[in-house]
Amino acid sequence: GAVVSQHPSWVICKSGTSVKIECRSLDFQATTMFWYRQFPKQSLMLMATSNEGSKATYEQGVEKDKFLINHASLTLSTLTVTSAHPEDSSFYICSASAPGGVLRDEQFFGPGTRLTVL
Amino acid sequence: LAKTTQPISMDSYEGQEVNITCSHNNIATNDYITWYQQFPSQGPRFIIQGYKTKVTNEVASLFIPADRKSSTLSLPRVSLSDTAVYYCLVGDMNTGFQKLVFGTGTRLLVSP
Repeated sequence: GAVVSQHPSWVICKSGTSVKIECRSLDFQATTMFWYRQFPKQSLMLMATSNEGSKATYEQGVEKDKFLINHASLTLSTLTVTSAHPEDSSFYICSASAPGGVLRDEQFFGPGTRLTVL
Repeated sequence: LAKTTQPISMDSYEGQEVNITCSHNNIATNDYITWYQQFPSQGPRFIIQGYKTKVTNEVASLFIPADRKSSTLSLPRVSLSDTAVYYCLVGDMNTGFQKLVFGTGTRLLVSP
């Protein structure tokens, strides 16, 4: 089946530093990847949609200069949280679209990355 | 994007059948209904997807009435490991990419 990985699985950083999270589709090419954020006991909130080779589309209220997204290849998208602050501490999850799959609406999720900003 | 409404939480016991209903009154013609399962500190996992009537796979069944304004996820003989949050989503299959909007989800607790 289609597998999406994320690295790192958890990260702790100091306030003011930047953190990069990688999302990879391991056995398929993903033209579109999505980034979500999830706070404890809450639902997933879509942050941005990332298309290979083009700029990401951010959801309303998400600062594009703070959450930098790069989708340089069909198997890799990165999310960089710049100048992280404690309120950025959250669970970040990516997903990837698999066009041409058996189910045309298939979207495969990564295992998530737990970010803690001290 | 069609909004979905689900019960916030449900309780059950091992071995029982659990039915979680989702309302999506504004579902569009091209929308499919998809259910995901999420365990704590993990990404959502696809359970089942359907368009109309009934769909069954090895883990669940999905019942969709003719008007498609609701759907019911049925989990037969739940076990403790089925304790998780279950999300119902609807989306347009004809878009170039699928933008998913997660609702509150239903927190299922299975007790011994």
